[in-house]
Amino acid sequence: AQSVTQPDIHITVSEGASLELRCNYSYGATPYLFWYVQSPGQGLQLLLKYFSGDTLVQGIKGFEAEFKRSQSSFNLRKPSVHWSDAAEYFCAVGARNYGQNFVFGPGTRLSVLP
Amino acid sequence: DTEVTQTPKHLVMGMTNKKSLKCEQHMGHRAMYWYKQKAKKPPELMFVYSYEKLSINESVPSRFSPECPNSSLLNLHLHALQPEDSALYLCASSPLTGQGAEGTQYFGPGTRLLVL
Repeated sequence: AQSVTQPDIHITVSEGASLELRCNYSYGATPYLFWYVQSPGQGLQLLLKYFSGDTLVQGIKGFEAEFKRSQSSFNLRKPSVHWSDAAEYFCAVGARNYGQNFVFGPGTRLSVLP
Repeated sequence: DTEVTQTPKHLVMGMTNKKSLKCEQHMGHRAMYWYKQKAKKPPELMFVYSYEKLSINESVPSRFSPECPNSSLLNLHLHALQPEDSALYLCASSPLTGQGAEGTQYFGPGTRLLVL
């Protein structure tokens, strides 16, 4: 069974600063990897996903993530954070059997200082 | 269009009430999901439907009863709930094998449920 860890429960950055959110996974094969964002009281919005191919994945809202097989990581990055990026971020891993075994990490809450 | 809609947005019910949550998608996805999310926690999977058949039930109490009337609709019938069932209920859908981008789940905005 797969599992996901997000080591940082809460991160605070200043607006305009760079951001990196960490995600580590455990899975026996190459997984499907996802990052979702959730604003308070809202549903989850897909930021980006990795299935195969180029290990640097571009997403919406200026986010990118890099898959590193050797480190079992899929860290999310953004070069310049905007105040509207304040939200909860979830990393998720899906097994390659049409995605029903979908496991979320515990989430990282991002606060942005003006 | 990657939209999943859910109604109602908010629901308050007593422990003896019967209510239903509704979810709809028109992306042609053949897998649909119900999740429960408590505050400051990740979503927890409750049910999965594949090709309109229940394929996963994560040991959810029988007071939650899912229904998938067709490939676009998913309902969650609620009866005799407890206050600890208060949460955000999220619906999601995803393509299945052969539909492309399989495994990608698209979420609705959720129904905020309060059980008194």
